Amino acid sequence: EAGVAQSPRYKIIEKRQSVAFWCNPISGHATLYWYQQILGQGPKLLIQFQNNGVVDDSQLPKDRFSAERLKGVDSTLKIQPAKLEDSAVYLCASSYISGQGPSSYNEQFFGPGTRLTVL
Amino acid sequence: KQEVTQIPAALSVPEGENLVLNCSFTDSAIYNLQWFRQDPGKGLTSLLLIQSSQREQTSGRLNASLDKSSGRSTLYIAASQPGDSATYLCAVNSGGGADGLTFGKGTHLIIQP
Repeated sequence: EAGVAQSPRYKIIEKRQSVAFWCNPISGHATLYWYQQILGQGPKLLIQFQNNGVVDDSQLPKDRFSAERLKGVDSTLKIQPAKLEDSAVYLCASSYISGQGPSSYNEQFFGPGTRLTVL
Repeated sequence: KQEVTQIPAALSVPEGENLVLNCSFTDSAIYNLQWFRQDPGKGLTSLLLIQSSQREQTSGRLNASLDKSSGRSTLYIAASQPGDSATYLCAVNSGGGADGLTFGKGTHLIIQP
């Protein structure tokens, strides 16, 4: 089974430029997440999609970040304009809920990430 | 708001030792807890998932335990090997269902040959 795919793997841009990241989740996974991981920190959730609808974007800086998941499969995350503090690894994850009732669980699977450097 | 803390932040031990990594969380009403491994420049690899109704999970030399009432989980690594060197991250799903994870900052582990 193919894992979560992300591209590009690395990106270097100047501040105030725009950048976009792409994610292809595991086939059949309805839920897709974008996380931001700053060096030395754990990942922080930016946005969560259920199929092609946004479930949670409370931590997404909406003045500069946007994301979409057309047709409920692939997703893109865009930053416009980028700031120095946006330098981080952007991780995409997908999941589906297994089991039922008290025995249910939600295991997330992560892609390799995109390392963004803003100069 | 859920907060996750991992202790220690870094650990260096000789090969062959058994070791314990600790994770604590402030809100005990969790749906499930995952332990991940992250190698330098790589994404996260899921190691173990513990459902809220479970006390522990095992995979090979790894054993993870969960004590919801005290807000703690431990990851036990038996007979450590240099290939175990990585950052280990603990993450909790607090909201239930397909909610996002709240992560700790991780424990950076080095196993000396």
